[in-house]
Amino acid sequence: ELKVEQNPLFLSMQEGKNYTIYCNYSTTSDRLYWYRQDPGKSLESLFVLLSNGAVKQEGRLMASLDTKARLSTLHITAAVHDLSATYFCAPKGGISNFGNEKLTFGTGTRLTIIP
Amino acid sequence: NAGVMQNPRHLVRRRGQEARLRCSPMKGHSHVYWYRQLPEEGLKFMVYLQKENIIDESGMPKERFSAEFPKEGPSILRIQQVVRGDSAAYFCASSGTSGAWEQYFGPGTRLTVT
Repeated sequence: ELKVEQNPLFLSMQEGKNYTIYCNYSTTSDRLYWYRQDPGKSLESLFVLLSNGAVKQEGRLMASLDTKARLSTLHITAAVHDLSATYFCAPKGGISNFGNEKLTFGTGTRLTIIP
Repeated sequence: NAGVMQNPRHLVRRRGQEARLRCSPMKGHSHVYWYRQLPEEGLKFMVYLQKENIIDESGMPKERFSAEFPKEGPSILRIQQVVRGDSAAYFCASSGTSGAWEQYFGPGTRLTVT
């Protein structure tokens, strides 16, 4: 059974600082997704990482995937208040020819940016 | 282009009643997934359906829960004889059949059992 661990679970950081959220997963997976959730809201897709070594950037967020280490990171550069939210990583279970499979979500990292 | 739609957005049921949650996928999507989120937790997979077929129900409780995705109409998650522990946010996601198979999430239905 695929298990996903994120750390830290809670992160409070000042505006302008950099930080990284880590996502470790227990069994082989060939793709991983990052989502953002605001309180009481749905999930917004941030990144889809499809292969080992994949790196994607959007604004102040950058995500990477190391399938050999079973590790993904979400790096925040020069944080701003608008980035306050809960961030989830979600690897797809296993490796198969079928992309349409369930996602296993991490526990989430609740990020608070302090002005 | 409408996204994934869910209704109702909020649902209150007394213990023992039935809850029906509906999900209409994005236009052009034929794959639907249901997830449950308990307060302060991540999402847990429940069931994956295509039109008229259940593909993976490994996360679905064995009793009281059922799901369908008929040829016409929305996907429905049905919870019979609800208990307090069923109180949660239920999210539906849909995906297409190519590319990154990215799952797009609906706004969720927040079920409260009193």
